[in-house]
Amino acid sequence: GEDVEQSLFLSVREGDSSVINCTYTDSSSTYLYWYKQEPGAGLQLLTYIFSNMDMKQDQRLTVLLNKKDKHLSLRIADTQTGDSAIYFCAEIPSSSASKIIFGSGTRLSIRP
Amino acid sequence: GAGVSQSPSNKVTEKGKDVELRCDPISGHTALYWYRQSLGQGLEFLIYFQGNSAPDKSGLPSDRFSAERTGGSVSTLTIQRTQQEDSAVYLCASILEGAPGELFFGEGSRLTVL
Repeated sequence: GEDVEQSLFLSVREGDSSVINCTYTDSSSTYLYWYKQEPGAGLQLLTYIFSNMDMKQDQRLTVLLNKKDKHLSLRIADTQTGDSAIYFCAEIPSSSASKIIFGSGTRLSIRP
Repeated sequence: GAGVSQSPSNKVTEKGKDVELRCDPISGHTALYWYRQSLGQGLEFLIYFQGNSAPDKSGLPSDRFSAERTGGSVSTLTIQRTQQEDSAVYLCASILEGAPGELFFGEGSRLTVL
């Protein structure tokens, strides 16, 4: 079936790197996404990766895709207090191009 | 407006009452989604509208839930005979055709059923 799984919580020290992991089930997904939800706000698209790519880097963000294991990760370098948020992984399954499936979200907290 | 607008931002209702939640998508966006976000849960897909096509209602949890989109723009999500388990944040998102997955979300309507 369609399912996207993430761990619920991650705590990192300010200045360290954060790595948020996600597993998905549809190996035919064309696009995979990371969304960020700050407190009291809606979700915002953070970055995405095409399924024919292994890695995408955008400033402090690095997305790694392992299609064989159906594993997606988001690395945030030099984590800052402003990075505190819930991070959602999402895919568009091949079974339904209209339905975007989100994971449960990983709450990232930053400690001084 | 520049973004997706949802109203009301907060709604408290009594069990058994009907509620309507409204979404104004970004002008020019052809597709619209409704999701539900419950405490500790991910985003649950509810319904999808694309242009004049029949909506994908496969995520609606029961027949108490319905949604419509008038004139290809504003959408209303209606929950009849609300139950306590309907308490959640209801998120609306719109998307430009040809930009799959690049959803623009509203801030949500928080529904509390007493």
